[in-house]
Amino acid sequence: DTEVTQTPKHLVMGMTNKKSLKCEQHMGHRAMYWYKQKAKKPPELMFVYSYEKLSINESVPSRFSPECPNSSLLNLHLHALQPEDSALYLCASSHLLVNEQFFGPGTRLTVL
Amino acid sequence: QKEVEQNSGPLSVPEGAIASLNCTYSDRVSQSFFWYRQYSGKSPELIMSIYSNGDKEDGRFTAQLNKASQYVSLLIRDSQPSDSATYLCAVNQAGTALIFGKGTTLSVSS
Repeated sequence: DTEVTQTPKHLVMGMTNKKSLKCEQHMGHRAMYWYKQKAKKPPELMFVYSYEKLSINESVPSRFSPECPNSSLLNLHLHALQPEDSALYLCASSHLLVNEQFFGPGTRLTVL
Repeated sequence: QKEVEQNSGPLSVPEGAIASLNCTYSDRVSQSFFWYRQYSGKSPELIMSIYSNGDKEDGRFTAQLNKASQYVSLLIRDSQPSDSATYLCAVNQAGTALIFGKGTTLSVSS
């Protein structure tokens, strides 16, 4: 299995809602990532987990809360988002931090 | 500040031609170099990785790395309309996350 899966594919939420994005990989990778991508921009790193521990937080607002329950799963909990948080949220994984990253299909998030 | 620079394009080539995409990076200790292809509305797809100086070929794609010049390129031979996409150059220094360029938009006309 060489795939990173993400659910849901699309999400529409209000500014007072709480929702979660999920990511799963079964490649035995030990590094997992959350990126945010706006239209016509490159992916922007949010969080990095290495061996299930948060190793990089790129000064992301606290309304985004990552969680890594085990080596295969990565969640991103969302609360009190703003319309400007609307974007494509991408999960990626790699064997180690220096190796190539494989991206999931992404979750298209719209905040109303 | 670590930077990865790419021409935004669009780069337009006719079908069957060679497309040449270029990337420069600022951090001399960078160790890993990647090219991703991203179709509109889709996620990035890894197409090439290169770690040492020289050329690496995979099918119609060739990645070239010159660490002395801090330059990495991607050649696409026999370009097809299906190659029309944004190509992202990404650079990794050991123990840190990927740094992406802004991407080059390639348009292949039939």
